[in-house]
Amino acid sequence: GNSVTQMEGPVTLSEEAFLTINCTYTATGYPSLFWYVQYPGEGLQLLLKATKADDKGSNKGFEATYRKETTSFHLEKGSVQVSDSAVYFCALSEARGKLQFGAGTQVVVTP
Amino acid sequence: DTGVSQNPRHKITKRGQNVTFRCDPISEHNRLYWYRQTLGQGPEFLTYFQNEAQLEKSRLLSDRFSAERPKGSFSTLEIQRTEQGDSAMYLCASSLNEKLFFGSGTQLSVL
Repeated sequence: GNSVTQMEGPVTLSEEAFLTINCTYTATGYPSLFWYVQYPGEGLQLLLKATKADDKGSNKGFEATYRKETTSFHLEKGSVQVSDSAVYFCALSEARGKLQFGAGTQVVVTP
Repeated sequence: DTGVSQNPRHKITKRGQNVTFRCDPISEHNRLYWYRQTLGQGPEFLTYFQNEAQLEKSRLLSDRFSAERPKGSFSTLEIQRTEQGDSAMYLCASSLNEKLFFGSGTQLSVL
């Protein structure tokens, strides 16, 4: 079956540092790939997505590129802020719009 | 607020009791999903509705679980004879296409 693996957290960074969260996947076919973010006390929100190989999704300074050859979709941000502290989930699409999620990576940004 | 609404936010119950959760999706969304999330894990798919039809159920959904979406609008998830292992965050999501919108969830604690 399909699966998503992402790096374990917590990832602790200082403000303005560079953030990378690794995500790799196993899937049949060519799923769409997503990053969702969960801020404390809130529901999951779509951060960005990519629908085919070499697509780059971007939003709020975050970027991720769909790499079919390495089955990866790593999330990056060049300069994090305290407000980026959250749990980040990598996910892939399955039939009927279902999502298969990774375990999540907590990011803590300190001033 | 036109997002996905879930009630109650928190539910504490004793083992063996029945509980019911409600989800009000975004009004024009025909797809509705239930997920379960435990601490430190990503959401796991439970079941999917297209309009009022329940089209898919996960193997995670034991016979004690039942979900309905009687008029293709709101949905309910009932757990009968709750067990301590049912303690989790139950998430509802709705969509028109690939983008899922999540509610804030119902946190269930079974004592």
